Amino acid sequence: AAGVIQSPRHLIKEKRETATLKCYPIPRHDTVYWYQQGPGQDPQFLISFYEKMQSDKGSIPDRFSAQQFSDYHSELNMSSLELGDSALYFCASSLPRDAGTPSYNEQFFGPGTRLTVL
Amino acid sequence: LAKTTQPISMDSYEGQEVNITCSHNNIATNDYITWYQQFPSQGPRFIIQGYKTKVTNEVASLFIPADRKSSTLSLPRVSLSDTAVYYCLVVPAFQKLVFGTGTRLLVSP
Repeated sequence: AAGVIQSPRHLIKEKRETATLKCYPIPRHDTVYWYQQGPGQDPQFLISFYEKMQSDKGSIPDRFSAQQFSDYHSELNMSSLELGDSALYFCASSLPRDAGTPSYNEQFFGPGTRLTVL
Repeated sequence: LAKTTQPISMDSYEGQEVNITCSHNNIATNDYITWYQQFPSQGPRFIIQGYKTKVTNEVASLFIPADRKSSTLSLPRVSLSDTAVYYCLVVPAFQKLVFGTGTRLLVSP
């Protein structure tokens, strides 16, 4: 079965550089979520998109921005990178709300992008 | 969002049943109780979700008392591959997931 695809899987950047992370949700999934997980930390919600519109926003720095495109893939853009941005970034997607699934909070996570800022 | 409290760690042996209890005293009427599993350097994986009473699927059972202020995830006959972090989340439907401190389960031979 198709899964969430994230690219790149690993990324090394210098401080103050920019980075773009990409997420391709499972086909027919209409909602995309971004989470950040620092070393030894629990995942933290950053931002989400439903039908290409921002639906919720969490603890996402102003240096970060994201969008969802017409094909439902999403990109997380990160500028002025800091050492503390080093983390695993997960993208997750979920089924349409009218899909009839009983699992209203089932999100399918991708393998993550490991960002290292030097 | 309701805050959850669960044990930081648990130890078990292969073949045993493991029960992880989560407290969520401030759960709201529109909240669902959802459990996720996470292996190191992998994304969390959905295990089970419930609203009240008992829910069972092919990998786990979820017990929820009538007052919904707690829940228990039951993993039957665990194996070494069940060693992971287990998160209890209490969130409304179709909303962001708010992860607290999960339970690190270690299964030994």
